[in-house]
Amino acid sequence: DTEVTQTPKHLVMGMTNKKSLKCEQHMGHRAMYWYKQKAKKPPELMFVYSYEKLSINESVPSRFSPECPNSSLLNLHLHALQPEDSALYLCASSQGVGRANEQFFGPGTRLTVL
Amino acid sequence: AQKVTQAQTEISVVEKEDVTLDCVYETRDTTYYLFWYKQPPSGELVFLIRRNSFDEQNEISGRYSWNFQKSTSSFNFTITASQVVDSAVYFCALSGASNTGKLIFGQGTTLQVKP
Repeated sequence: DTEVTQTPKHLVMGMTNKKSLKCEQHMGHRAMYWYKQKAKKPPELMFVYSYEKLSINESVPSRFSPECPNSSLLNLHLHALQPEDSALYLCASSQGVGRANEQFFGPGTRLTVL
Repeated sequence: AQKVTQAQTEISVVEKEDVTLDCVYETRDTTYYLFWYKQPPSGELVFLIRRNSFDEQNEISGRYSWNFQKSTSSFNFTITASQVVDSAVYFCALSGASNTGKLIFGQGTTLQVKP
């Protein structure tokens, strides 16, 4: 099984809402990632988890809060977002964080902030 | 500094034409990895290939082929006999600093294959 799943597929939220994005993989991978992608742009790395510990935070605003409950799950908690946060949020996983490891991506959550 | 350049923003071809997507990279590392990903309209990035810096052999997978040339810091991707299903955005990426998991993406090339 080489699949990364993400829920929900689409999310519309107001600026005062709290919501969460979920990501799951069953490939035994020990590294998981959150990316943000705006239209016609490459993905931008937000967070990296390695062995369930946060290893990289790319100076992401605190209104985005990641969580890794176990090696298969990755959440992104959203609170007080801004309209400019509207984007495709992609989750990915890889065997590890070494250079040779290809990342497998989920289908993404299309987020709209009103 | 590490950088990936995909100079072609958009390419449009007619089905069955061959098409080459260019990728030029910059890095001071002697060991590095290069990747190609495909992103169809559905949004998911699909891993296509990984190539390490010590292996300059060209690779072929069906209608896809890759040409890696260290002398010109290029890792180009050719689709032979293109099909409508090949329409997507294609990203070239370079492995970032060791043991960080970071990927340096190019800006992407949008390929449209018309019937």
